Amino acid sequence: GAGVSQTPSNKVTEKGKYVELRCDPISGHTALYWYRQSLGQGPEFLIYFQGTGAADDSGLPNDRFFAVRPEGSVSTLKIQRTERGDSAVYLCASSLMGGFTDTQYFGPGTRLTVL
Amino acid sequence: AQTVTQSQPEMSVQEAETVTLSCTYDTSENNYYLFWYKQPPSRQMILVIRQEAYKQQNATENRFSVNFQKAAKSFSLKISDSQLGDTAMYFCAFIRGEGAQKLVFGQGTRLTINP
Repeated sequence: GAGVSQTPSNKVTEKGKYVELRCDPISGHTALYWYRQSLGQGPEFLIYFQGTGAADDSGLPNDRFFAVRPEGSVSTLKIQRTERGDSAVYLCASSLMGGFTDTQYFGPGTRLTVL
Repeated sequence: AQTVTQSQPEMSVQEAETVTLSCTYDTSENNYYLFWYKQPPSRQMILVIRQEAYKQQNATENRFSVNFQKAAKSFSLKISDSQLGDTAMYFCAFIRGEGAQKLVFGQGTRLTINP
């Protein structure tokens, strides 16, 4: 596609439920990133994929959060037993090769609300 | 750990005026990149301008320019001839040259251009 796309745009769920957030990166980009942006804050890094593998998952807050990228393109961020503190905008970005000189292109994000 | 600080939560100027947004950062690295991203209400982060730490010349992109002071660890963004479409959140971000490929963002500055 022309840009990074994310679905759904908005997700409302109840505390304790399981959610999946999807990211479709720019075609041909090998690197994919997930960030979380809480209200009034800058985005915070969650996880970085190079191809199919998670090269850095140091930003995942706890074991309720998990992400996959099985074929090296689309990625899914999975959150188990959601808590109200998980409410945020989840941003996905992709870059061509993943080097620090590459520009990261962002999607429009998924706004997650946990009631 | 790297940190990025934006000390101006909000700024407001009249259309056609020049405005400068401040950013300071803390790192022990010598090789890194700095960025300014714009986030309009649509939530999509858009790259405005980037600067490599090894380049002494300040980056410019049309109406946008930076003042990069490496010794002072300062990276301000100047917007000339501001336009209504410049209204957005602006985030300063840092990425180190080695190791983790994650962007580290500041807290953001909400910029409003008034007609």
